[in-house]
Amino acid sequence: EVQLVQSGAEVKKPGESLKISCKGSGYSFTTYWIGWVRLMPGKGLEWMGIIYPGDSDTRYSPSFQGQVTISADKSISTAYLQWSSLKASDTAMYYCVTYRPVSGTLWPVGNWGQGTLVTVSS
Amino acid sequence: EIVMTQSPATLSVSPGERATLSCRASQSVRSNLAWYQQKPGQSPRLLIYGASTRATGIPARFSGSGSGTEFTLTISSLQSEDFAVYYCQQYNDWPPRATFGQGTKLEIK
Repeated sequence: EVQLVQSGAEVKKPGESLKISCKGSGYSFTTYWIGWVRLMPGKGLEWMGIIYPGDSDTRYSPSFQGQVTISADKSISTAYLQWSSLKASDTAMYYCVTYRPVSGTLWPVGNWGQGTLVTVSS
Repeated sequence: EIVMTQSPATLSVSPGERATLSCRASQSVRSNLAWYQQKPGQSPRLLIYGASTRATGIPARFSGSGSGTEFTLTISSLQSEDFAVYYCQQYNDWPPRATFGQGTKLEIK
């Protein structure tokens, strides 16, 4: 069974750095791309970016380019989302999700992590 | 960037009735369109991909249609567990740059 297990909730202050994780199991980690999705309180889902763990090819939504860094370590089947300087507006639930390459696009596979709640408050 | 627009924002339907949700893309996404269901406190659940293919384990009362820029999710006979927020997502772009619609809240009438 494919599983994505995310790291636990975080409470941080503005200006602090943070790295959250998403560990895959039940499949070869380089089979799928891993995407990250944000859900802010009272808002809708936002696609942030995606990484292929095989070679760390990473793509970002224009809205998130330069705001976050996506990385992966295939040796431990884990993808990461990190911030160098958090803002209160980064308060949200963050999900990781799998995609597979099909005919020149990336199709959703349907595996989601349980979410990591990030709270940024002074 | 492709913009996805869902309508209506909120849909009130009685249990047992049919619900029809719409999603429009700002440019053609061919059939590279997915639908998700999200309930409070839960991760999104993939319902439909390829515009019309049900994901594993999804009941037959959920169906998707459309291609290009106009898409529809139909729930044929609403069950109590179907009241949730529904999102469409396009994944046509390469380099990958998927985008979600803003969501439709399906509520009990």
